Amino acid sequence: DAGVIQSPRHEVTEMGQEVTLRCKPISGHNSLFWYRQTMMRGLELLIYFNNNVPIDDSGMPEDRFSAKMPNASFSTLKIQPSEPRDSAVYFCASSLLGVDTQYFGPGTRLTVL
Amino acid sequence: GDSVTQMEGPVTLSEEAFLTINCTYTATGYPSLFWYVQYPGEGLQLLLKATKADDKGSNKGFEATYRKETTSFHLEKGSVQVSDSAVYFCALTDAGGTSYGKLTFGQGTILTVHP
Repeated sequence: DAGVIQSPRHEVTEMGQEVTLRCKPISGHNSLFWYRQTMMRGLELLIYFNNNVPIDDSGMPEDRFSAKMPNASFSTLKIQPSEPRDSAVYFCASSLLGVDTQYFGPGTRLTVL
Repeated sequence: GDSVTQMEGPVTLSEEAFLTINCTYTATGYPSLFWYVQYPGEGLQLLLKATKADDKGSNKGFEATYRKETTSFHLEKGSVQVSDSAVYFCALTDAGGTSYGKLTFGQGTILTVHP
């Protein structure tokens, strides 16, 4: 079975541009998580969804960040406008609601110049 | 709120040495405990888990025992290999709480194993 799929794997953009990161969870999973990883702050949970509904977005750093899950097989994380301090690796993870193990994608390395 | 504290790294060992990475936690409920591993350039992978007190999780020669009395979940391996070089994360999820499904991670410990 395919694992969690993220695209793109690498993104380089200029400050002020819009960035969209994409995630396809494991088929059948109904919880989805977005994380950000940096050297300074470690691994941070940004937002998570259960059954396509956002449950906790308290980790979203500011209004420039938004996330959607229009259906069970797709989610996006958007940054508009992007800033250099947004440079990080962004991970998506999915799990079965009621089962506590999360499965991570390979991540998207974002560089904002 | 829930929190996880790991021993600071980096940890550098020679091949075949014994490994211990300490992890302690604070949680209000009855959490499940995890160790995840991140190899260079990859996402996190579940290494092992334990869901209740005194459970021992094990995988690939690694072990950790859920100690409720000391609120600890230390990772051990008897003989490390160069291929074990990675970042190790301790984590918990409070399945019975309002944050159901949400993982709380420690800061990660970098392990480097030399031949």
